[in-house]
Amino acid sequence: AQSVTQLDSQVPVFEEAPVELRCNYSSSVSVYLFWYVQYPNQGLQLLLKYLSGSTLVKGINGFEAEFNKSQTSFHLRKPSVHISDTAEYFCAVSEPNAGKSTFGDGTTLTVKP
Amino acid sequence: EAQVTQNPRYLITVTGKKLTVTCSQNMNHEYMSWYRQDPGLGLRQIYYSMNVEVTDKGDVPEGYKVSRKEKRNFPLILESPSPNQTSLYFCASSLVGTSGYEQYFGPGTRLTVT
Repeated sequence: AQSVTQLDSQVPVFEEAPVELRCNYSSSVSVYLFWYVQYPNQGLQLLLKYLSGSTLVKGINGFEAEFNKSQTSFHLRKPSVHISDTAEYFCAVSEPNAGKSTFGDGTTLTVKP
Repeated sequence: EAQVTQNPRYLITVTGKKLTVTCSQNMNHEYMSWYRQDPGLGLRQIYYSMNVEVTDKGDVPEGYKVSRKEKRNFPLILESPSPNQTSLYFCASSLVGTSGYEQYFGPGTRLTVT
C-alpha cells in the first residue's frame, strides 16, 4: 500500500518570495514521484517527476524538487514565485509497472502582490 | 495536437439514471485511468487500465464500471448514479514502463446527481 501526505493545505506567499510545498510519502516498494499543478477550472499538468538518478529534479516554470529517500519526502520549491503560480499543487506516487497511482490532498498556493 | 478528451464536460442527472462519460486519447498510450476530485480529498483513483481488455480497481471503485475495448477509449459507466457520486471526474493516460507513468489529464467532467 502507498500513501501521500501533503503537509500544508494552503500556502499564502507574497510575489517574488521563495516557496516550499511539502510532500511525504509511504510505500513498501520503490515508487515514482510526481508533482502536478492544476490551474483554476483546468485539468492537471505535470510539473516534474522523479524516476531514478539525481535526487534534485527540475521542472517547468522554475520549479524543482528534491527526493529524500531516508525521510521519504519529495518537497517542491521555487526561489521566486509569480502571481501566475497561484494554483493547486498535487504530489503523487506510482508503483512501477503496477498501475496504481496515489495523490495527496493538494496544496493551494496563493501568491499575493 | 496530443490530448485527452472527455465528454460531456458538464452533466446534471437524477438518481438511478444510467450514464456514461467518455474518454479518448490520441497518443497511443497503453495506460488509462479515471479519478474523482472532491474538495479536500485530492484525486482518488477509481479504475485504471494497463492495456486493452486489462482493467483493475483503484481506491474507490464502488458504483462504477469501465471497459477498455480499444486502446484509445476508456469510458466510465455509472449504472445507477447516486448523489454521493456528485464530483469532478478526470480521465488520464500515459505510456508505461521507463516513462514512469507521467499522466496526461483530460479537462474534467463535472457531474451532479440530484
